[in-house]
Amino acid sequence: ELKVEQNPLFLSMQEGKNYTIYCNYSTTSDRLYWYRQDPGKSLESLFVLLSNGAVKQEGRLMASLDTKARLSTLHITAAVHDLSATYFCAVVISSTPLVFGKGTRLSVIA
Amino acid sequence: GAGVSQSPSNKVTEKGKDVELRCDPISGHTALYWYRQRLGQGLEFLIYFQGNSAPDKSGLPSDRFSAERTGESVSTLTIQRTQQEDSAVYLCASRLTGGTEAFFGQGTRLTVV
Repeated sequence: ELKVEQNPLFLSMQEGKNYTIYCNYSTTSDRLYWYRQDPGKSLESLFVLLSNGAVKQEGRLMASLDTKARLSTLHITAAVHDLSATYFCAVVISSTPLVFGKGTRLSVIA
Repeated sequence: GAGVSQSPSNKVTEKGKDVELRCDPISGHTALYWYRQRLGQGLEFLIYFQGNSAPDKSGLPSDRFSAERTGESVSTLTIQRTQQEDSAVYLCASRLTGGTEAFFGQGTRLTVV
């Protein structure tokens, strides 16, 4: 059974600081997703990572994938308040459903 | 349409009533997923349709829950004899076969009173 663990689950960080969210998964996967969810809203796709060593960046967010370690990271650079949201990673094996982590609730404070 | 559409956006129902939730996937997307998200929680998988294959129903929490999809079009999630613990946001997502991104609808917020 595929399991996905995220940490931390809650993160309060100051504006301008850097931090990393981690996503570990239990078995070899085909794809790894990062989503953002604002309160009361649906999920917005941020990144899809397909292969070992894949790195994608959008603004202050950068995601990477290490398939050997079964680990993905979402790095936040110089956080701003607008990044406050819950971030989910999700993993897929072949034709299976996306399995989600529990989410990391990020709060960026002045 | 341009994205995944779900209806209704909000539904309040009395305990014991049946409800039907609708999902219109992105045209041409063969994979369709239903998830449940309780307040402040993560996403709980319910059911997955992939083309004409038998659906993966392994996430349905009880026999009160069922879902249908005709071909590669609309899907409906039915909850019979609703209970208060069914209160949640029900999210639908679709994906193109061979594609990578899975796109989510805005969800249906179900409240059982």
